[in-house]
Amino acid sequence: DTEVTQTPKHLVMGMTNKKSLKCEQHMGHRAMYWYKQKAKKPPELMFVYSYEKLSINESVPSRFSPECPNSSLLNLHLHALQPEDSALYLCASSQGQGIPQPQHFGDGTRLSIL
Amino acid sequence: AQTVTQSQPEMSVQEAETVTLSCTYDTSENNYYLFWYKQPPSRQMILVIRQEAYKQQNATENRFSVNFQKAAKSFSLKISDSQLGDTAMYFCAFMNPYNQGGKLIFGQGTELSVKP
Repeated sequence: DTEVTQTPKHLVMGMTNKKSLKCEQHMGHRAMYWYKQKAKKPPELMFVYSYEKLSINESVPSRFSPECPNSSLLNLHLHALQPEDSALYLCASSQGQGIPQPQHFGDGTRLSIL
Repeated sequence: AQTVTQSQPEMSVQEAETVTLSCTYDTSENNYYLFWYKQPPSRQMILVIRQEAYKQQNATENRFSVNFQKAAKSFSLKISDSQLGDTAMYFCAFMNPYNQGGKLIFGQGTELSVKP
């Protein structure tokens, strides 16, 4: 069983829709991450939250808007996405930035943009 | 900037045999961590094994072991007694937790197929 839970597992949306991806962990981790992954490619880092504050934004388009309501939850709000945004979106958590511990990943949300 | 290279896009192995996946990296730093992650078709990225650069002893986790050559900047993964469930994408990753916010730098991946 994964310790990082992502919902929904699949999402199909039109380019004008607004939707949100959710991620939850109960391991007491203080760093949380969003990645985008295309088929047979490595994950690409999008955002990092450390102690509920945005720490890294890898120049992601503003149609992706992250939110960290508390230390256990991480959301990714989606609006006006493009077909090239279709991908697997992975959430991960770790004990904290600057702490030499591995990241734990969720199962991902498979996103398709029509 | 750090880079991670996996030179084998695809590999196959017969069940019960041994296979080695290669990974090289480039860094000027001395303290860092290396990981192998496995991603089966079920999608979840699973940590297979980790190695601290300051440790000379190679890490081992059951059937998985690494050959860490710090001077050569090489970090290969050996899978012994391969099982059908080992079929997956394998990603090598580099991290310096004290720099760049602890970002994981991934290689391009190796797709491993275990054949019955």
